[in-house]
Amino acid sequence: GQQVMQIPQYQHVQEGEDFTTYCNSSTTLSNIQWYKQRPGGHPVFLIQLVKSGEVKKQKRLTFQFGEAKKNSSLHITATQTTDVGTYFCASRKGRALTFGSGTRLQVQP
Amino acid sequence: NAGVTQTPKFQVLKTGQSMTLQCAQDMNHNSMYWYRQDPGMGLRLIYYSASEGTTDKGEVPNGYNVSRLNKREFSLRLESAAPSQTSVYFCASTVEGGLDTIYFGEGSWLTVV
Repeated sequence: GQQVMQIPQYQHVQEGEDFTTYCNSSTTLSNIQWYKQRPGGHPVFLIQLVKSGEVKKQKRLTFQFGEAKKNSSLHITATQTTDVGTYFCASRKGRALTFGSGTRLQVQP
Repeated sequence: NAGVTQTPKFQVLKTGQSMTLQCAQDMNHNSMYWYRQDPGMGLRLIYYSASEGTTDKGEVPNGYNVSRLNKREFSLRLESAAPSQTSVYFCASTVEGGLDTIYFGEGSWLTVV
């Protein structure tokens, strides 16, 4: 099975509302990466977190890595229609990268 | 710079037919991967190759074979296609497995009827 569980599976928001997706693991993660996939497209790398408690920001996106390195979150402030897509977290499992099941975000204009 | 290139982009197969999905990267990456993506299932790793000449099974390898032809190319073969293999297939590559950004190809939409 997958190493990380991602919630929620789906979220529908009004444009301007905030959005958060969470990744949780039962084991300590060496790092966590976040990807965005637009409908019909391929996943595109957003960011990597490595340190315990790390917080990184990209404009309206805020990424956090938990103190115990077992969970992570992606928060989008004031969503826009361009934020539509599926957001995946991914973590290292052995020598390969495994992905969470993703959170699909719909933004109502 | 093309990045990761996959062919074909779309394919319809009959049950029992065989086919090979081709993938090439021009970024001099060591590691290459094949993932499949089904609705609501996220991305599942089929096979990966940490370096030229090596291949390893991922989460869902049954029904597939791979070849790391050289550093640039990593192909995925379906010997006898089944409807359960209807999916979107993504090839990807990284400099080193796991800790670096993974770059994906555009995807190959495969339907088995």
